Amino acid sequence: EIVLTQSPATLSLSPGERATLSCRASQSVSSYLAWYQQKPGQAPRLLIYDASDRATGIPARFSGSGSGTDFTLTISSLEPEDFAVYYCQQRSNWITFGQGTRLEIK
Amino acid sequence: QLQLQESGPGLVKPSETLSLTCTVSGGSISSSSYYWGWIRQPPGKGLEWIGSIYYSGSTYYNPSLKSRLTISVDTSKNQFSLKLTSVAAADTAVYYCARRLPQYYMDVWGKGTTVTVSS
Repeated sequence: EIVLTQSPATLSLSPGERATLSCRASQSVSSYLAWYQQKPGQAPRLLIYDASDRATGIPARFSGSGSGTDFTLTISSLEPEDFAVYYCQQRSNWITFGQGTRLEIK
Repeated sequence: QLQLQESGPGLVKPSETLSLTCTVSGGSISSSSYYWGWIRQPPGKGLEWIGSIYYSGSTYYNPSLKSRLTISVDTSKNQFSLKLTSVAAADTAVYYCARRLPQYYMDVWGKGTTVTVSS
């Protein structure tokens, strides 16, 4: 099983700041990695797939990068609606998710 | 606009079978390329992929659940279903159904349904 480790567990920032979230895989997943956003009481929403492709309707302030074992989700300038939990997901082996990063308002 | 809706009992007794159905509207479950999947989220925890199915009946299960799991599809009703046997408290979770892209990512999700395992 490929384990995804996300860091930090919690990130405290203010609106307008830049957010950088990390996801590290226990073995290479090539570029087969996605990022999801989940708000309280809601289902996850696909943001990024194949490491760097934005899903339909996702604002340009969200970007993804990385390959192999190290990946990054960047939010260039935080909007109030961006404060949520973010999960990474790999599909190289069967599907697994990271444990999540909580992005909270500072 | 494609929508998915989970349905089923909110309370299941330990050792019994958890059964859920996902109804797809605004599109056909028989669309080529897409799989249809289940994901769950225990209270306060992260996401766990359960498994997925193609309209032809081809399935793909999480190895850790495979021995207790059956996912089936009913194309005439535009539905797919989950059965998890011998449930325990650890199976308590919000269960989501979702459309799985050919690239194995989930792009459309249901709102989720809470299932509690308790006597």
